[in-house]
Amino acid sequence: DAGVTQSPTHLIKTRGQQVTLRCSPKSGHDTVSWYQQALGQGPQFIFQYYEEEERQRGNFPDRFSGHQFPNYSSELNVNALLLGDSALYLCASSLARSNSISYGYTFGSGTRLTVV
Amino acid sequence: KQEVTQIPAALSVPEGENLVLNCSFTDSAIYNLQWFRQDPGKGLTSLLLIQSSQREQTSGRLNASLDKSSGRSTLYIAASQPGDSATYLCAVSDYSGGYQKVTFGTGTKLQVIP
Repeated sequence: DAGVTQSPTHLIKTRGQQVTLRCSPKSGHDTVSWYQQALGQGPQFIFQYYEEEERQRGNFPDRFSGHQFPNYSSELNVNALLLGDSALYLCASSLARSNSISYGYTFGSGTRLTVV
Repeated sequence: KQEVTQIPAALSVPEGENLVLNCSFTDSAIYNLQWFRQDPGKGLTSLLLIQSSQREQTSGRLNASLDKSSGRSTLYIAASQPGDSATYLCAVSDYSGGYQKVTFGTGTKLQVIP
């Protein structure tokens, strides 16, 4: 049973460029959440996708956008990269049914983004 | 707004010692609480998940407890080993705007000395 898969694992970009990160959720999961983790900090919530729509968003600027595809996979796009965007970007998948018990989040190994 | 605090921020113990990591949260109306382990530069590995109706969960040498009314959880590690060295993160799940949302603490960095 494949877990959450993220690609690429590492990425180096120049300030001002754009980047796309990808995530395939765990089999059977339908919800994808993205987190940014700066060095020495806990993960910070960026946004969550369900049924191909963004349904929650954290305190991140519009430079951060995303998409979810019919197969539940997701992309995170960041435009006009800043040095401060350097971080580990984590994708988490889960199963979201309004009247069911949550089984928690499953995380991928992350994409390490370095902006120079 | 849910806030999650983990104490201590760092901990160093000799091998074989039993230890307790603490997590506190401000809003007790949670859905579940999850403990994760993170090795340097790596993603998160789920250790234990406690539903809001449960008091504790056990897996091997790990035991996590939940006191929802007081907004606290503890992760107990028995007979610590050098391989337990990692950062341990507590994550609380609740409903925000009608949807489930997860908030993380900043973690406890554990070092087990051989």
